[in-house]
Amino acid sequence: DAKTTQPPSMDCAEGRAANLPCNHSTISGNEYVYWYRQIHSQGPQYIIHGLKNNETNEMASLIITEDRKSSTLILPHATLRDTAVYYCIVRVHSGYSTLTFGKGTMLLVSP
Amino acid sequence: ETGVTQSPTHLIKTRGQQVTLRCSSQSGHNTVSWYQQALGQGPQFIFQYYREEENGRGNFPPRFSGLQFPNYSSELNVNALELDDSALYLCASSLSGTSEKLFFGSGTQLSVL
Repeated sequence: DAKTTQPPSMDCAEGRAANLPCNHSTISGNEYVYWYRQIHSQGPQYIIHGLKNNETNEMASLIITEDRKSSTLILPHATLRDTAVYYCIVRVHSGYSTLTFGKGTMLLVSP
Repeated sequence: ETGVTQSPTHLIKTRGQQVTLRCSSQSGHNTVSWYQQALGQGPQFIFQYYREEENGRGNFPPRFSGLQFPNYSSELNVNALELDDSALYLCASSLSGTSEKLFFGSGTQLSVL
């Protein structure tokens, strides 16, 4: 699986949009971009994934650049409960497929 | 809510001992994966079980072993514990090995003294 690069930490004011970047310049054509987050003392939680088109669900939006070498996770209206470590992962959907976690981005949402 | 439950939540062992961690997967899920998360690091894949067979393994020694039962619950066994085995052990279940979503439990915090 391709490697990803994320900033170690980011801050966001409550109610504002949080934009978390991820670089995956070596991504292959059959690899999807996944985002998970891990709130303190909990296991990781799936947020969203995509291949090449932008995706949106009830939790977030995922914007993937046209060359697929980077992506941005957007939390449109961050709340204090969104404070967590956010992991960007690239993964294929074939055979057995695991998640390769990096260190992620620690997002701190403040009042 | 994920529906994945792990036991125990915390455990203290001494070096050289053996430990068994347990996981109940979410209803309807036939695949279970185990991950090890050291302090300040992201989770690292240990192995995956699909329909009671191991079908994938990460870079962990053979003293890390597992089982999956007919009801798809699972155990992680670690023999000859080392100090570096101190970590949070996470279980994740999914509908299949290639499923888009993994559902994680809250983990077992293992301390080896």
